Amino acid sequence: AQTVTQSQPEMSVQEAETVTLSCTYDTSESDYYLFWYKQPPSRQMILVIRQEAYKQQNATENRFSVNFQKAAKSFSLKISDSQLGDAAMYFCAYRRTQGGSEKLVFGKGMKLTVNP
Amino acid sequence: KAGVTQTPRYLIKTRGQQVTLSCSPISGHRSVSWYQQTPGQGLQFLFEYFSETQRNKGNFPGRFSGRQFSNSRSEMNVSTLELGDSALYLCASSSQWGTEAFFGQGTRLTVV
Repeated sequence: AQTVTQSQPEMSVQEAETVTLSCTYDTSESDYYLFWYKQPPSRQMILVIRQEAYKQQNATENRFSVNFQKAAKSFSLKISDSQLGDAAMYFCAYRRTQGGSEKLVFGKGMKLTVNP
Repeated sequence: KAGVTQTPRYLIKTRGQQVTLSCSPISGHRSVSWYQQTPGQGLQFLFEYFSETQRNKGNFPGRFSGRQFSNSRSEMNVSTLELGDSALYLCASSSQWGTEAFFGQGTRLTVV
C-alpha cells in the first residue's frame, strides 16, 4: 500500500521569505501523480501544484515549486516570497495512474504560519 | 463554472441516528470521491463513484455507504452514528480525463 509521510507538523516563516515543506512517499508503482494541497481555515482543499512521476522536470506554479526526487521518493514544496495568505495546512498527496481510480493518499499535513 | 457543492455545511446528530450528506460535482465531472478528515487520523479515503458505480472503497465499516445518481450527484450515508464519526467530510470531483481533484468545502458532522 502506498503511504505519504510529512514529518514536520508545523513550520513558520517570515513574510517575503522562502520556506520548504518536506514530503516522502512509498510506492512500488513506477507511474503516479504527486500533489500539494492547501487547506486554509475555510476548510476547502485547494490544489497548489501537481507533478507527474514520468516527468523529470520539476513543476512550478508562480511562487510555488517542487523538488521531485523519484529515486529518493521525496517531493518537497518550496514557497518563495511568502505571503500572509499562504498560512494554511499543507497536505502532500499521491495518486496512482493505473487502475482508473481517483483515490488520493494524503500525508498528515503540516501547519504553516506566516509572520508579518 | 460552479465548484463542488456540499450540503449541509454543518450537522449535529445524536449517537445512534443516521445521516445523509450530499455532494454536487462540477458540471461534466463523473467521478466523485469522499474523504473523512479528523485530527487524529488525518484524511482518509472513504469511497469513489464513477458513472453511478462504486469504483474504489476505503477501509471503513459497512455503516458508511454511498451512491451516485445519473446526474453525478453523490450522497453518503452513515448509519448508527458513533461519537468517533464526528469529522469533516470532504467530497471531491474529477473529470474522466483529468488528474486534478476539486474539493468542496466539506460538511462538519458532530455526533453528540
